Amino acid sequence: AQSVAQPEDQVNVAEGNPLTVKCTYSVSGNPYLFWYVQYPNRGLQFLLKYITGDNLVKGSYGFEAEFNKSQTSFHLKKPSALVSDSALYFCAVSPNAGNNRKLIWGLGTSLAVNP
Amino acid sequence: DSGVTQTPKHLITATGQRVTLRCSPRSGDLSVYWYQQSLDQGLQFLIQYYNGEERAKGNILERFSAQQFPDLHSELNLSSLELGDSALYFCASSVREGYSDTQYFGPGTRLTVL
Repeated sequence: AQSVAQPEDQVNVAEGNPLTVKCTYSVSGNPYLFWYVQYPNRGLQFLLKYITGDNLVKGSYGFEAEFNKSQTSFHLKKPSALVSDSALYFCAVSPNAGNNRKLIWGLGTSLAVNP
Repeated sequence: DSGVTQTPKHLITATGQRVTLRCSPRSGDLSVYWYQQSLDQGLQFLIQYYNGEERAKGNILERFSAQQFPDLHSELNLSSLELGDSALYFCASSVREGYSDTQYFGPGTRLTVL
């Protein structure tokens, strides 16, 4: 079955330190990969996506993500975390094949950046 | 601001009742998606419409139904409400329905069933 895993429910990092939010997937073929962020009491906001090309994708608010096909991972990174980055982060995968175009979503990772 | 609007922001109702949630997609977007987010179930895809036609179904209960109108706005109807239906309901839209299309989310409707 196709799935997306965000192995950490919560990530804690000190302000100014680099952050990584992990995502792995189990989807056949060459999927498209997305990261979204949800601030408290808000809708999800699109951060970035990987379609093809360079494995390092740059997105909004200084975030980037690295696609690794051999490890089927798409980890979200930021060189220097801000307190305002504290939010819920979702990874999603589009299978890029078949009739079902719906995204497969991870369960989310809560990021807490401590001052 | 994503450009997707949802009304109402909050809805409080009683068990057994019926409610309608409304979504207006971004200008030019043809696809609308509905999601339910609850604490215990995470983000659950409910249903997708493209240019007025139903295209994909997820974990949508039979008590729930949706439609997309000619002006592309969409409504999600929830009936015979139960306590467990209390959740945040999000609408998202995308330009088309391609695999790589980005979905843009509205601010959500918080439904509380008492």
